[in-house]
This record gives sequence, structure tokens and C-alpha cells, in this order.
Amino acid sequence: GESVGLHLPTLSVQEGDNSIINCAYSNSASDYFIWYKQESGKGPQFIIDIRSNMDKRQGQRVTVLLNKTVKHLSLQIAATQPGDSAVYFCAESLSGTYKYIFGTGTRLKVLA
Amino acid sequence: NTGVTQTPKFRILKIGQSMTLQCTQDMNHNYMYWYRQDPGMGLKLIYYSVGAGITDKGEVPNGYNVSRSTTEDFPLRLELAAPSQTSVYFCASGYREQETQYFGPGTRLLVL
Repeated sequence: GESVGLHLPTLSVQEGDNSIINCAYSNSASDYFIWYKQESGKGPQFIIDIRSNMDKRQGQRVTVLLNKTVKHLSLQIAATQPGDSAVYFCAESLSGTYKYIFGTGTRLKVLA
Repeated sequence: NTGVTQTPKFRILKIGQSMTLQCTQDMNHNYMYWYRQDPGMGLKLIYYSVGAGITDKGEVPNGYNVSRSTTEDFPLRLELAAPSQTSVYFCASGYREQETQYFGPGTRLLVL
């Protein structure tokens, strides 16, 4: 498969444990944020999003936390499974600009 | 719906050659995007379109051109390929601004 990121920060977690992936975003005016998952050789896949009027949003096994004070976003994955192994990106957007700024990504490795 | 499709999957170009990367979506999305992804880097926006007949530059447009004659298609043209254009190219589409972007599987381009 395609090598998405050769020198990405890596988070290794034991299967069944919870994972926390962090992201610092760049623009304090950004008002919409997305987390993507990218498996080797594939395009990014939407996981969860959050708008700036919220500080927490939950999905199935995933939670996104937004701290606007320090421009920080985190993705929590509960009961991490082998299928969660991938590169995870955050992206920020400012309404009216039609554009997203993507982070460089974190590689999650799930250990059996 | 098959989502976002991209062709070709992989291509080798010689310096100075040109080619068109094809992108088609069948979800009737207004917004379409072209990104490039270099190893260890986040996605960089090349061009985007908010509807048929409307295109605009992203962060890294130099060396590329686009057109949007229909809602479904958003081809990316490289006129004079350079080694710096070696990358993986992703097309994405979305229904509205600040909503989920759906990505294609990518085109890997090698310029030698």
C-alpha cells in the first residue's frame, strides 16, 4: 500500500485500551474541525466533526474534545481495536473560506 | 452511489510531459477539491470548486489547472510535469461548506 507518512509521530496502544490523539490547530478564528482516518493506500475517511460552539462531541466509540483557549483538539477512541490502526488527521476550517487546513497526522498502532 | 472515483491509480511521467487526473463523484455534491499529499505532510489544497463553472486556487496551485464543466467531474491538469509534483493526489467532494468531505482513493504520481 501507499506510504502516507514516513516520519509521523506514532502512538502505540494495547488492544482494548483507550487511545487519545492530539492536534494543535493554527487559526484561533477556525470554527469547524474534523478528524479523519487514513489507512494505508486509501483516501482519508471522515470520523467525527465538531463546531466551535461545542467543546465535546461523541460518536460511536469516538469522542472529540475542543479547547479553544489553547487551540487544541483531541480524538479519544474507546476500546481500541486492530482495525483502528491507521494515520489520523485533524483539519480546521473557517466559514466562508471553503478551505481546510490539515495537520500532518499521527500514526496509531494497535498492539495485540 | 459509488462515491468519488479517481483515475489513474498510478502514473509515471517524464519531466515536461502533461497529463490529466480524472475525478468523478455521483453524490450530486456542489463542492469539489483537489489535494496533494507528500510523505510526512498533511494534505495541501491545490484547487477547489463550489459548483459547475466556478473554480478557485488553494494553497499550492502553481503548475496545475482545473475545470468544472459539470457537477460530477473535476479534472486536474498538469501541463509541464516537474519532479516537485511527485505526490499522491486526492480528490474530494462535499455537499456544503463545512460538512463532511468524501475522498477518492488517490492517484500516485511519480515524475522522473
